[in-house]
Amino acid sequence: GAVVSQHPSRVICKSGTSVKIECRSLDFQATTMFWYRQFPKQSLMLMATSNEGSKATYEQGVEKDKFLINHASLTLSTLTVTSAHPEDSSFYICSAKRDGGRAGEQFFGPGTRLTVL
Amino acid sequence: GEDVEQSLFLSVREGDSSVINCTYTDSSSTYLYWYKQEPGAGLQLLTYIFSNMDMKQDQRLTVLLNKKDKHLSLRIADTQTGDSAIYFCAESVPYNTDKLIFGTGTRLQVFP
Repeated sequence: GAVVSQHPSRVICKSGTSVKIECRSLDFQATTMFWYRQFPKQSLMLMATSNEGSKATYEQGVEKDKFLINHASLTLSTLTVTSAHPEDSSFYICSAKRDGGRAGEQFFGPGTRLTVL
Repeated sequence: GEDVEQSLFLSVREGDSSVINCTYTDSSSTYLYWYKQEPGAGLQLLTYIFSNMDMKQDQRLTVLLNKKDKHLSLRIADTQTGDSAIYFCAESVPYNTDKLIFGTGTRLQVFP
């Protein structure tokens, strides 16, 4: 149990286009999901907390108009990178907190590798 | 702000013990975690320790917490090739246990 999927696993796009990444909790409900960004040989940096039915909470320095988050249901959150540029190339990872689960326990997706040409 | 540091690389022989170290800055963290990341897979929670504990053992894994020195370690007994992965420590942010600050990760390589 507690499986989180991400789609796509890998995407290559042209500069200026928008890319949508999906995060799904497959066998549990998740009111709260998280989006991280991971650079090579660096730690995961929390970008935003996604809350079902309300606006996402963004970390300092993360542009909310560039990284649009929509948490439309208890099992799905999406991250849209708008007008992507090469500096947005990174590994994006989502996680989900199971409703009723232990504080701090998050289940992670396998990540999405975004390359912007 | 919060900062979590780890050494980048550790190489051990199969059957030996591995010790992965982590230092953190915020002494008011409630929970500290160890996650494992294998290639192509998401982070997997290995174990966690509550901040008022000194040690926690779970089968081959032993977590030691030194709050005075803000030092956390993960010991893997009888290390196997399947343990080769990147290991991240993480601390929960004070007053918001859902928010995690991750270390840079330690790549563990196990050789026969």
